[in-house]
Formats: sequence, C-alpha cells, structure tokens
Amino acid sequence: SQQGEEDPQALSIQEGENATMNCSYKTSINNLQWYRQNSGRGLVHLILIRSNEREKHSGRLRVTLDTSKKSSSLLITASRAADTASYFCATAILTGGGNKLTFGTGTQLKVEL
Amino acid sequence: NAGVTQTPKFQVLKTGQSMTLQCAQDMNHEYMSWYRQDPGMGLRLIHYSVGAGITDQGEVPNGYNVSRSTTEDFPLRLLSAAPSQTSVYFCASRRTGATRYGYTFGSGTRLTVV
Repeated sequence: SQQGEEDPQALSIQEGENATMNCSYKTSINNLQWYRQNSGRGLVHLILIRSNEREKHSGRLRVTLDTSKKSSSLLITASRAADTASYFCATAILTGGGNKLTFGTGTQLKVEL
Repeated sequence: NAGVTQTPKFQVLKTGQSMTLQCAQDMNHEYMSWYRQDPGMGLRLIHYSVGAGITDQGEVPNGYNVSRSTTEDFPLRLLSAAPSQTSVYFCASRRTGATRYGYTFGSGTRLTVV
C-alpha cells in the first residue's frame, strides 16, 4: 500500500510562477524525501527533511514538514520549463534492516513557456 | 563516477522465460534496493540489501530473487516471467546513515513480458 499520496496529481503553470505540491502520509517516519523524474529517466534525489525538522531550503526548492498533520509540501519558486517532470515524495521508516523508502504516486508538473 | 548502472535498458521476454537484471554501483554504498514502477502506482519495493550477504523482501517480492555477493552488485532474477511483471525496474543505492542521505537511482530497465 502507498504510504505517501501527492496532491495534485497534475499541475500546469506558466514559467516564472511558483509550483506547490503536497504529500500526505500515514505512519510515523524517520525522514521524508522528494525526488524528480524526467520522462523515461530514473529518479533524482532533490531534498531530504528529517522528522525533527520543519523547513528546509535548497536553491529554488523549499520543503516543509508537519509531523502532527503527517504532511509535507514542496515549493518550486520561479519555475522554468526544465522543471517539467514528475515529482515524488518518499517516506523513510526505520526498520531492523535499515530504513525502507516508500513512494507516493507522484505529481506531474508541466511548466509552459 | 558512473553512479548506479543498470543493464539492459530494454528487454522483451516470453512468458515463462527467466532472466537477470543487472545493477552495479561504484560509490561503495552498502544499501541497495530494487523497485518496480507501474502507471498510477508509484514505485514499489521488491527486495533490498543492507550489505553483502544480507537481503530482505520488500512489498512485492513474489516472482523475484536477489543475492548480494559483493558490495557493488545487486542482480534481480525473474524466475519465470509473467505478463504481470511487465514494468520499469529501478535499482537504487545509498550511503549508510539512514537519516541523512537520499538514494541514487539507475536509469531503469523497461521489461515487457509477452
């Protein structure tokens, strides 16, 4: 079963606008990660936020985490056409064998010129 | 660094055939895993390994075998291919330190079972 669910499933914006994607999850986590996948390619790690952190920045990316609501958001500021991709949140849960990463179903972002 | 290398990139199998998907990483990562990606379902964990000689099952392990004889390699074996195994398969690895590091993914193997 999916641990994370992204919202919206698809998002279309104009270049220069901000894009916000949300992720909700079900169980307690160790950390939450966001990945980007360009069409036909593998996933690329964007940012990791630990369960004791509330906000994190990396370039044009801003991630927030609210563990009380079991939700996270990814904000991409000043979007570019090259940001067109699918974005996945993934939750890491510590187990006896390390941590397992469980992915949501993704948000398809299209940035138009 | 090459990162995570998967071969082949594309494969067509007949039902009942067996094959091995190769995955190799040159980053000395201890943790390696296999995912399959199907439309509308995100990525699902098949098997993972926390180090050479240690493997464990993920969410959807049936029909797949793995082994980890070296740190670098983590092959995925399909024992008797079925059309339900048509998917895109990704191998991923990460450093130790579970709370700090993201995963590095390979570029995937697109498998079709007819």
